[in-house]
Amino acid sequence: GAGVSQTPSNKVTEKGKYVELRCDPISGHTALYWYRQSLGQGPEFLIYFQGTGAADDSGLPNDRFFAVRPEGSVSTLKIQRTERGDSAVYLCASSLTSNTGELFFGEGSRLTVL
Amino acid sequence: AQSVTQPDIHITVSEGASLELRCNYSYGATPYLFWYVQSPGQGLQLLLKYFSGDTLVQGIKGFEAEFKRSQSSFNLRKPSVHWSDAAEYFCAVGARSNYQLIWGAGTKLIIKP
Repeated sequence: GAGVSQTPSNKVTEKGKYVELRCDPISGHTALYWYRQSLGQGPEFLIYFQGTGAADDSGLPNDRFFAVRPEGSVSTLKIQRTERGDSAVYLCASSLTSNTGELFFGEGSRLTVL
Repeated sequence: AQSVTQPDIHITVSEGASLELRCNYSYGATPYLFWYVQSPGQGLQLLLKYFSGDTLVQGIKGFEAEFKRSQSSFNLRKPSVHWSDAAEYFCAVGARSNYQLIWGAGTKLIIKP
């Protein structure tokens, strides 16, 4: 596609439920990133993929969060046993390589945990 | 600790007036600096970046920023703002690799007609 696509754009769920957020990066971009943005704050790094492998997952807050990118393109961020504190906008970005200095962001998936 | 501070949460500027958005950083290594803009309903977009060389960098949409190492600052400027510049602006710092960027909390720019 022309840009980074994220679905759903909005997700409301109940505490304790499982959630999946999807990211479709720009075609040909090998690097993919997940960030989380809480209200009034800048993005916070979660995980970085180079190809199919997670090159750095040090930003994932705990083991309830997991992300995959099985074919080196689409990525899914998975959150188990959601908590109210997980409510945020989850941003996906991609770049041609990891050293171009430019990330291309999607519009984000707004997650609300009731 | 590594951090980015954008002291102004909101700034209101008249259309046609000049603009300066402040960014100060604390970073242990040689910083690579970025400004991104987030318009309503759109994803974050890179305005400009500084890696090395000339400390005054030009970006898209008529924006520029100046790196001042002695002041640990990377302020964003535009000589004359347009109503379409109304958005939220984020400063970020990191290593050359894109990930693990440290972001400021953003400055929301409001344009008065």
